[in-house]
Amino acid sequence: GNSVTQMEGPVTLSEEAFLTINCTYTATGYPSLFWYVQYPGEGLQLLLKATKADDKGSNKGFEATYRKETTSFHLEKGSVQVSDSAVYFCALSDRSTLNNFNKFYFGSGTKLNVKP
Amino acid sequence: NAGVTQTPKFRILKIGQSMTLQCTQDMNHNYMYWYRQDPGMGLKLIYYSVGAGITDKGEVPNGYNVSRSTTEDFPLRLELAAPSQTSVYFCASSITALVTDTQYFGPGTRLTVL
Repeated sequence: GNSVTQMEGPVTLSEEAFLTINCTYTATGYPSLFWYVQYPGEGLQLLLKATKADDKGSNKGFEATYRKETTSFHLEKGSVQVSDSAVYFCALSDRSTLNNFNKFYFGSGTKLNVKP
Repeated sequence: NAGVTQTPKFRILKIGQSMTLQCTQDMNHNYMYWYRQDPGMGLKLIYYSVGAGITDKGEVPNGYNVSRSTTEDFPLRLELAAPSQTSVYFCASSITALVTDTQYFGPGTRLTVL
């Protein structure tokens, strides 16, 4: 079946440090991969996505590459800011085997704390 | 364009009470979803809808009901609330059922059952 595993947090970094949040997946089909971000007290916002192998998604200085050979979609940022403090969710989208919709599978989330 | 809106933002229920969580989207999306997020966990799909009048169960439907009379609205009904339903509830929508499509989320409803 489909599943997403991401590194446990919290991750605490100093401002301007390099960020990596690991995400690996298991999928039976040809999924799309997503990173969502959840700021305190808010809903999930799409950060970036990649829809096929070797695609790189990028947004706001964050990037992630869809690696089919290692079934990974690690999130990276070269220099984090205090405003990046949030919970980050890795997710995959695959065709539901039961009905005609794109089912999302979410990881458990990784909390990032960035200190000044 | 407000996107996906949810009401209320917070609610405390007593065991056995019922309530409806409201969800509205103004993007004319056919597909809508309800998720719950338990502490330290990812999101679990409760129910989904592929269009007005069409709904189906997700992974964790027990204790909930939904209806979809219009494209815009997708309310979630909790009957006989139990402490196990304490969670944050998110509504989401998407334009299509394509695997490449993004789901857009509302701000969530934090529910506590005591």
